[in-house]
Amino acid sequence: AQSVTQLGSHVSVSEGALVLLRCNYSSSVPPYLFWYVQYPNQGLQLLLKYTSAATLVKGINGFEAEFKKSETSFHLTKPSAHMSDAAEYFCAVSDRGSGTYKYIFGTGTRLKVLA
Amino acid sequence: DGGITQSPKYLFRKEGQNVTLSCEQNLNHDAMYWYRQDPGQGLRLIYYSQIVNDFQKGDIAEGYSVSREKKESFPLTVTSAQKNPTAFYLCASSPRDRGLEQYFGPGTRLTVT
Repeated sequence: AQSVTQLGSHVSVSEGALVLLRCNYSSSVPPYLFWYVQYPNQGLQLLLKYTSAATLVKGINGFEAEFKKSETSFHLTKPSAHMSDAAEYFCAVSDRGSGTYKYIFGTGTRLKVLA
Repeated sequence: DGGITQSPKYLFRKEGQNVTLSCEQNLNHDAMYWYRQDPGQGLRLIYYSQIVNDFQKGDIAEGYSVSREKKESFPLTVTSAQKNPTAFYLCASSPRDRGLEQYFGPGTRLTVT
């Protein structure tokens, strides 16, 4: 079975600093991986996804993530944080091994951006 | 505009009452999902449906029921058997391709007192 672990339920960075949100997965088959962002009291919005093409994936709002098979990681980064990046971020994996169309989500990381 | 609508945005009910949350999509997606979100627990899958007239229990189905009579609609009923129904409920849909992402509705915040 596939699973996702997000390290750090809360991360704080200064405006203009590097953002690094960690995601590790476990999977017996090549995974499809996703990062979503959620603003308060709203639904989730896709930031980017990895579907076995390029290992470095660029998304919206200046975010990118790198798929590292050897480390089973898919960490999300942004070179310079903006106040508007404050939100909750979820990593997810598509459950390819079960024959269903389920998606497995991490528990989320809340990003705080300090002025 | 294609998308997913959930109504209402906020819902208040008395304990012991059943309540139905609406979810409609016009994206022509086959699969639809209901999640419950509580602080610090991420998204937990309640029910999902991969095709009309078929649905499966997720990880926390007890106290909930669904139907999928139309491709566009996947309503969720929170029954009086659900012990802690107060939560934020999210509906999502996706094509039947595991490489494609889910699309989410804006959510319904249910408060039961």
